[in-house]
Amino acid sequence: GAVVSQHPSRVICKSGTSVKIECRSLDFQATTMFWYRQFPKKSLMLMATSNEGSKATYEQGVEKDKFLINHASLTLSTLTVTSAHPEDSSFYICSARFQNRVSEAFFGQGTRLTVV
Amino acid sequence: GIQVEQSPPDLILQEGANSTLRCNFSDSVNNLQWFHQNPWGQLINLFYIPSGTKQNGRLSATTVATERYSLLYISSSQTTDSGVYFCAVDRGSSASKIIFGSGTRLSIRP
Repeated sequence: GAVVSQHPSRVICKSGTSVKIECRSLDFQATTMFWYRQFPKKSLMLMATSNEGSKATYEQGVEKDKFLINHASLTLSTLTVTSAHPEDSSFYICSARFQNRVSEAFFGQGTRLTVV
Repeated sequence: GIQVEQSPPDLILQEGANSTLRCNFSDSVNNLQWFHQNPWGQLINLFYIPSGTKQNGRLSATTVATERYSLLYISSSQTTDSGVYFCAVDRGSSASKIIFGSGTRLSIRP
């Protein structure tokens, strides 16, 4: 199946610093990618929809200035957690599906962020 | 938006038992997937099944789109089947939001 690669898989950062997470579709082009956040023992919560060449669409309650999303190409979307605080610690997962194709979505390996 | 409910929330079984996990959704969807989230958080695609029935080894799934539910069957459970199973749906365009159910946490005891 198609592969979505997410990097890094684990990161620890100090409060006040910024962290960038990359999501790449390795063998297909993705016009749209999705970013999710998962709290312990909870389901995945959609944060934003990343659109290639345009601004991301954020879900209600998600701070766009805190979670910067850039989708500069058809194979790469990035999520930057700015001025991170301990409450931003979480598991972040990206997803992509084939360009212009209604089909199954594929997910990255996830990034476990710990802010100390 | 679409609501997705999964049941049961938790399931504890002995190795070798069979299980059925259910996913109900509140509106018409064009895409439906089942995932297994492993202990490291990776979502493993099990089935892409907007309608009909599919089987893959000990796992099978059935979606009845007109009645807005899907079932995941696991037969002869093994300890490696433990984890959280998610159902996820969307309306079926490239930009449609994928909405996840709350998941079923399955524990298989040896």
